[in-house]
Amino acid sequence: DTAVSQTPKYLVTQMGNDKSIKCEQNLGHDTMYWYKQDSKKFLKIMFSYNNKELIINETVPNRFSPKSPDKAHLNLHINSLELGDSAVYFCASSHAEGWGGVTEAFFGQGTRLTVV
Amino acid sequence: TQLLEQSPQFLSIQEGENLTVYCNSSSVFSSLQWYRQEPGEGPVLLVTVVTGGEVKKLKRLTFQFGDARKDSSLHITAAQTGDTGLYLCRVNAGKSTFGDGTTLTVKP
Repeated sequence: DTAVSQTPKYLVTQMGNDKSIKCEQNLGHDTMYWYKQDSKKFLKIMFSYNNKELIINETVPNRFSPKSPDKAHLNLHINSLELGDSAVYFCASSHAEGWGGVTEAFFGQGTRLTVV
Repeated sequence: TQLLEQSPQFLSIQEGENLTVYCNSSSVFSSLQWYRQEPGEGPVLLVTVVTGGEVKKLKRLTFQFGDARKDSSLHITAAQTGDTGLYLCRVNAGKSTFGDGTTLTVKP
């Protein structure tokens, strides 16, 4: 059973379109994340949710809107896609982290988004 | 400026060689993690270090947390082609933060 699964794995779309990436975890974790990995492999946090509530919202264009219908799901919707949105997007989950402490984060396989 | 700076950025070695990669910061952390990411996959946790000066071993991998808890190193002995991947350090500095990674290629 896949612990963190995200779909689709590949997404090719035209500029201006709206697309969604879905993520589900079956680990019983309280916290879920979206990360963006750019062409230089830098992995940057975009959003973090704890028990369906948004706790971290990095400087991300408001064209990106996360939605957590329940603790096990965190979807990412992107409006008006731009060329610069092309990247690999990773969903992850973990137990809740106290300030300063890290717990193991489990990652999905990633969604490679290509905007043409 | 990156909170976590990893070096070297790229490393290409022959199978059987030893190597060390570093994760450095000017900040102090209560704990630090190392992940490995293989092509087409998400990062996978290798180890968590929590005590200054701590050394942890995972088969041929040795992890050390600096005495001041500002830096960490990962040493691989007798590298194998299966060690190829992107090595990332991670901390919680109010938010989950990764270093900029070291891409390791081990050639047969």
